[in-house]
Amino acid sequence: EAQVTQNPRYLITVTGKKLTVTCSQNMNHEYMSWYRQDPGLGLRQIYYSMNVEVTDKGDVPEGYKVSRKEKRNFPLILESPSPNQTSLYFCASSSSLAWETQYFGPGTRLLVL
Amino acid sequence: ELKVEQNPLFLSMQEGKNYTIYCNYSTTSDRLYWYRQDPGKSLESLFVLLSNGAVKQEGRLMASLDTKARLSTLHITAAVHDLSATYFCAVDSPGGSNYQLIWGAGTKLIIKP
Repeated sequence: EAQVTQNPRYLITVTGKKLTVTCSQNMNHEYMSWYRQDPGLGLRQIYYSMNVEVTDKGDVPEGYKVSRKEKRNFPLILESPSPNQTSLYFCASSSSLAWETQYFGPGTRLLVL
Repeated sequence: ELKVEQNPLFLSMQEGKNYTIYCNYSTTSDRLYWYRQDPGKSLESLFVLLSNGAVKQEGRLMASLDTKARLSTLHITAAVHDLSATYFCAVDSPGGSNYQLIWGAGTKLIIKP
């Protein structure tokens, strides 16, 4: 089954404690992206990757890091989480075809105390 | 800076009625997407609109794109309760890579039996 998986699905942490949210896709997609969703703001892109070792900042990259060492994986790293990073995070992937849509993971709900 | 505005942000309607959700964007863009999000769930692709005049239909939902007016509409025909969800439109960011999307804030649709 074609899918995007994220782990963990729920996470409560404290300010400053480094964490990683994993994302994996099994569709051999070139493009992957991380979004955060906050009430009333829609989705905002954090980082995206066009292919292995190619990443770029989205609209709200501050406080986040990513890496793309393998085509299927695109982890999101919060080196020193702060309460304003409490949010719902989605990973998405897509092929490079112009008419293709993005496939979203199930989401990771993060609470930073 | 590209901005995407959806109207209305909240809509409560009766089953069997017709209604339209509007998505305006501020600068030229090549592609427009519509997504659906059920409460507590991930996002699901509905339509990808690639050119001026594009119209796509799936069941009781029909989306259209007018690139000259920078406007897309999502029309709901004879609404049923199962269509209750939040609907997002998203637009390619001009001058960015193919996969930088700017999202509207979403339209929360509640359909009452």
